[in-house]
Amino acid sequence: EAQVTQNPRYLITVTGKKLTVTCSQNMNHEYMSWYRQDPGLGLRQIYYSMNVEVTDKGDVPEGYKVSRKEKRNFPLILESPSPNQTSLYFCASSLDSSREAFFGQGTRLTVV
Amino acid sequence: QKEVEQDPGPLSVPEGAIVSLNCTYSNSAFQYFMWYRQYSRKGPELLMYTYSSGNKEDGRFTAQVDKSSKYISLFIRDSQPSDSATYLCAMLKGTGFQKLVFGTGTRLLVSP
Repeated sequence: EAQVTQNPRYLITVTGKKLTVTCSQNMNHEYMSWYRQDPGLGLRQIYYSMNVEVTDKGDVPEGYKVSRKEKRNFPLILESPSPNQTSLYFCASSLDSSREAFFGQGTRLTVV
Repeated sequence: QKEVEQDPGPLSVPEGAIVSLNCTYSNSAFQYFMWYRQYSRKGPELLMYTYSSGNKEDGRFTAQVDKSSKYISLFIRDSQPSDSATYLCAMLKGTGFQKLVFGTGTRLLVSP
C-alpha cells in the first residue's frame, strides 16, 4: 500500500529536549516536505526536499532542521523545542514539486 | 491578502443536502487545483485533482474551476454524516519549482 508513515503520532516533551520526528514514504517520490498545522493558520510549510541531499527552507523554518540522506526518509529535527512549536505536524511527498501531495497521518507535538 | 481564501465555517447541513464548498484565489498563474479532505486527527487525503477550468466528477463529488473569476468549488451531493470533515483547497502553478498553496480549510458538519 502506497503511504507516508510518520512516527511518533503523539509526543509530549519538555522545552529544550532534542527530538526527531521520522517520515518515510514507499512511493519513490522525489519531493518531500514538512508542514505544521495550527488553528486559523492552516498548513504552513517548514522545510522541503527536492531529492537526496537537497533541502531548503519553507515558510516557517526557524527552530527546525531536516536531512535527506535516503530518498524514502525525511526526518524533522527540533534541536531545542519551545512551547511555540506545539502543533500538529505533517510530512508529505509527491512525485515532484508540480504534482499533488500525499500526506502522513500527522504527529501531534506538545512542548511544555 | 492571502493568495487563497477559504471560509473556515463550520458549515452545518442535514444528511442528504447538497453541499457547496468554495475557495477564491488571487494569482492567475494557478493551473492545478486540488481538494483535500481531513478527518479529525488524520492527515489530509486527496479527494479531487483538476487542471485548468471546467468540471470534474467523481461519484458524489464534483469539482468546478472558474479561472475567469478565480473561484473553485467542490459540490457534494447526497451528503452523509461520514462527509463531516475539514475540506482544504490547494493550488499549484504547474511549471518549474513551486509549492502547494493551501486554503485554511472549511469545516463541514453533516447531521443525521
